[in-house]
Amino acid sequence: GDSVTQMEGPVTLSEEAFLTINCTYTATGYPSLFWYVQYPGEGLQLLLKATKADDKGSNKGFEATYRKETTSFHLEKGSVQVSDSAVYFCALHSYSGAGSYQLTFGKGTKLSVIP
Amino acid sequence: DVKVTQSSRYLVKRTGEKVFLECVQDMDHENMFWYRQDPGLGLRLIYFSYDVKMKEKGDIPEGYSVSREKKERFSLILESASTNQTSMYLCASSLELYEQYFGPGTRLTVT
Repeated sequence: GDSVTQMEGPVTLSEEAFLTINCTYTATGYPSLFWYVQYPGEGLQLLLKATKADDKGSNKGFEATYRKETTSFHLEKGSVQVSDSAVYFCALHSYSGAGSYQLTFGKGTKLSVIP
Repeated sequence: DVKVTQSSRYLVKRTGEKVFLECVQDMDHENMFWYRQDPGLGLRLIYFSYDVKMKEKGDIPEGYSVSREKKERFSLILESASTNQTSMYLCASSLELYEQYFGPGTRLTVT
């Protein structure tokens, strides 16, 4: 079945440091890929997405490129802020038949940014 | 603005009780989902619904049931709560095939 593997956390960075959170996937066909973010005490929000190979999703200074050859979708940000402290989830969408619109999530990576 | 609301943020129930978790969306979305979130396990899909009165099992449906009598409302039911159902429960809805909008979550403790 489909699966998503993302780097284990927690990750602790100083403000203005460079961020990379690795994400790789296994899926049949051509899935769409997503990064969701969960701020403390809140539900998940879509951060960015890419629907086909070589697409780059970007939002709020975060970027991720859909790499089909390495089955990866790593999240990057050039300069993190304290307000970026959250849990980040990589996810993929694939159609599994019979009206099935499912997302498969990674286990999440907790990011803490210290001043 | 997109809004998904859940009936309670925190809930404490006793083992064996019947528990109802309610989710309401105001976006006229066809698809609705229930997940549970546990440390180290991420999000796991319990049930989803792609139309009124329609439901499909997700990855971990055992011990749960759902009800969707109206388009905007999707209920998760624990017929007889057990301690291993202590978790964070997240509801989501979507119109398009991919982008899901999440509620704030209900943290359920079963004692």
